[in-house]
Amino acid sequence: ETGVTQSPTHLIKTRGQQVTLRCSSQSGHNTVSWYQQALGQGPQFIFQYYREEENGRGNFPPRFSGLQFPNYSSELNVNALELDDSALYLCASSLAPVGPNEQFFGPGTRLTVL
Amino acid sequence: GENVEQHPSTLSVQEGDSAVIKCTYSDSASNYFPWYKQELGKRPQLIIDIRSNVGEKKDQRIAVTLNKTAKHFSLHITETQPEDSAVYFCAASPGNQFYFGTGTSLTVIP
Repeated sequence: ETGVTQSPTHLIKTRGQQVTLRCSSQSGHNTVSWYQQALGQGPQFIFQYYREEENGRGNFPPRFSGLQFPNYSSELNVNALELDDSALYLCASSLAPVGPNEQFFGPGTRLTVL
Repeated sequence: GENVEQHPSTLSVQEGDSAVIKCTYSDSASNYFPWYKQELGKRPQLIIDIRSNVGEKKDQRIAVTLNKTAKHFSLHITETQPEDSAVYFCAASPGNQFYFGTGTSLTVIP
């Protein structure tokens, strides 16, 4: 078990709603990255948080936002949900934001937008 | 940004045979190349990784090779077993983010 946890496991929302997903990093890890994995695709980088600051962002619109807390847990918020937001959302924690550092993935949150 | 391409998208092998999955990347700044195995409904699990100062790395039946000049890296699985059946993802990292390939669905036929 890697120690990274996510909640909730599954979530169903309707278009236009807002959603908050949560991630607890592995003990000792100060960096959390969020990924969106559509069905049959590889994970796509959304953004990364390091010491409560955003530290890099992928090609996602501003309605995808995040937070990191002093205990290094993190939230992903998505506003104005669209059907294409349906995916598995993965968070991954690592020891540091730069350099060749292994990322440990959580089990993911399956979001369905109807 | 970095672009990672992965081939093949599906691969079927007989139990005991070898499997090879290939990836190319575009950003010469990438210096870390992990491989993940993802079983249906599960999280990606790191199976092996290689850093840019190394050309090859082996861990029991799994090996990875890296050619920095050509910007490609490969995963080799020998003596495949049915439990190796899963989706495998390569990734390249130029710093603070991972760029993943589109995945290879490996089926090992008993």
